[in-house]
Amino acid sequence: GQSLEQPSEVTAVEGAIVQINCTYQTSGFYGLSWYQQHDGGAPTFLSYNALDGLEETGRFSSFLSRSDSYGYLLLQELQMKDSASYFCAVRWGYQKVTFGTGTKLQVIP
Amino acid sequence: DGGITQSPKYLFRKEGQNVTLSCEQNLNHDAMYWYRQDPGQGLRLIYYSQIVNDFQKGDIAEGYSVSREKKESFPLTVTSAQKNPTAFYLCASSTPGTSEDEQFFGPGTRLTVL
Repeated sequence: GQSLEQPSEVTAVEGAIVQINCTYQTSGFYGLSWYQQHDGGAPTFLSYNALDGLEETGRFSSFLSRSDSYGYLLLQELQMKDSASYFCAVRWGYQKVTFGTGTKLQVIP
Repeated sequence: DGGITQSPKYLFRKEGQNVTLSCEQNLNHDAMYWYRQDPGQGLRLIYYSQIVNDFQKGDIAEGYSVSREKKESFPLTVTSAQKNPTAFYLCASSTPGTSEDEQFFGPGTRLTVL
């Protein structure tokens, strides 16, 4: 089956930059997405990479390298409200989606 | 406002009982999904549907059933055959093929089987 691995936890300081990696063992997928989920809440969409390279959306950027089988989410100017879990996800086949294991980000003052 | 609604937010059931979780969307999306999330874990796909009257098993479909009689609705039944049903259940919808490939999630239903 498909699998996407992420670090389980990351801690970073308010105002800093943090990178959350996603490595995968799959092929033939349409693109890599990132979602944010606060405790007890529903995931919300952050970004999508259909092609290799960097996509920037405000303080968040996402990168995909199909040749290296990995992607990452970059969060800049960290704020306390960024403390949440972050998931990568791929769509393979027309509709089937697989989510990564998730990374819990803790932002400290 | 457009969105996805799930009801109820919290649900308690006795072991051995079937229970149906509601999911409704007014986003005019073709595709709908059900995920299960256990504490501290990622989302695992239970079932998904591309169009009305069609649905496919995801990675953990055993013990679950769904129907898609209307575009707006995709209810999930947790049957007594599901060995460990206590979890957070999330419904989502999307329109695949768009540039963003975004899934929109409902607020979730937290099911506890006693």
